[in-house]
Amino acid sequence: AQSVSQHNHHVILSEAASLELGCNYSYGGTVNLFWYVQYPGQHLQLLLKYFSGDPLVKGIKGFEAEFIKSKFSFNLRKPSVQWSDTAEYFCAVNAKSSNTGKLIFGQGTTLQVKP
Amino acid sequence: DAGVTQSPTHLIKTRGQQVTLRCSPKSGHDTVSWYQQALGQGPQFIFQYYEEEERQRGNFPDRFSGHQFPNYSSELNVNALLLGDSALYLCASSFMGDPKNIQYFGAGTRLSVL
Repeated sequence: AQSVSQHNHHVILSEAASLELGCNYSYGGTVNLFWYVQYPGQHLQLLLKYFSGDPLVKGIKGFEAEFIKSKFSFNLRKPSVQWSDTAEYFCAVNAKSSNTGKLIFGQGTTLQVKP
Repeated sequence: DAGVTQSPTHLIKTRGQQVTLRCSPKSGHDTVSWYQQALGQGPQFIFQYYEEEERQRGNFPDRFSGHQFPNYSSELNVNALLLGDSALYLCASSFMGDPKNIQYFGAGTRLSVL
């Protein structure tokens, strides 16, 4: 069965610190990979996605993620966080073979950025 | 361009009652998926509707049922509510013709079962 594991449940950083959130998935076939963000009081928004090609993908607001196939990982990074990055971050996968795009989510990482 | 809209925003029910949640997909989308997000957890897939039929179902009991209307909007029904059904229910819409199947989420309905 597919599963997604996010190692950091709660991360606290000061502004300008660098961020890396871990995500590993378990699935025997090829997958599409996503990071979603949920700002306080707002809906889930797509931050970035990987379907194929360059394993380093760039998203909105200066975020990037690297797909390492051999490690089944898709870690999210940002060189310098801002207070406005305070939010919950979810890693998700779906199987390329799926005709529904059913997403499997990790349990999320709460990021708190101190001003 | 309207995004995904869900109603109501919040709902309080008691055990044993039934509830109906509603979702209107993003303009141009024809597929609706429902997810349950318990406190402190990631969203879990309940089911997906396309062409007014359930296409795939997650690991949820038959108490959870749904419907899709000709205008692509959808309802999620939960019967015989349990305390454990308390959660944020998210609707996501997508376009079946999009090979990348990107899903866009609504703000959710917060259901509290007392």
